[in-house]
Amino acid sequence: GNSVTQMEGPVTLSEEAFLTINCTYTATGYPSLFWYVQYPGEGLQLLLKATKADDKGSNKGFEATYRKETTSFHLEKGSVQVSDSAVYFCALYNNNDMRFGAGTRLTVKP
Amino acid sequence: SQTIHQWPATLVQPVGSPLSLECTVEGTSNPNLYWYRQAAGRGLQLLFYSVGIGQISSEVPQNLSASRPQDRQFILSSKKLLLSDSGFYLCAWSYGGEQPQHFGDGTRLSIL
Repeated sequence: GNSVTQMEGPVTLSEEAFLTINCTYTATGYPSLFWYVQYPGEGLQLLLKATKADDKGSNKGFEATYRKETTSFHLEKGSVQVSDSAVYFCALYNNNDMRFGAGTRLTVKP
Repeated sequence: SQTIHQWPATLVQPVGSPLSLECTVEGTSNPNLYWYRQAAGRGLQLLFYSVGIGQISSEVPQNLSASRPQDRQFILSSKKLLLSDSGFYLCAWSYGGEQPQHFGDGTRLSIL
């Protein structure tokens, strides 16, 4: 079946630090992959997506590359800001099935 | 542009009481609609999804139900709430299954 596994949090970083949140998936075929972000008290917002192998999704300084050989879609940002503090969800869509990871809480301290 | 509205934003209900949460989408036609629950410290659990009026698919057995009386209206209901129904409920829409989902701001439900 389809599943998503992302690194457990919480993750605490200082401002301007490098961020990596790992995400791996299990799926048959060629799923579409997504990262969503949830700010406190709000719903989820799409951050970026990739629909085929080697695609790189990017938005607001965040990047993730669809790696089929390692079944991964790790989220990275070169220099985080306090405003990036949120919960980040990795997700996949495959064969009429949408799956979300458990979420990783990121706190960025000034 | 498309917008999604959920209400209420916060709800406190006693055990055994009924529930009705409403979600409406504006600016699009025939969207896929979804209800999720997010328990404290946990990920998202898909509860129901709908690809059209009157078409509801349930992902997990529970004491909740969903209805889609109009194209852009999705309602989550319960006849008798349980303590375990507490959580953050999110409605979402998409153009199709493989398309990104757009989420409402959520309803925080507390059961006393």
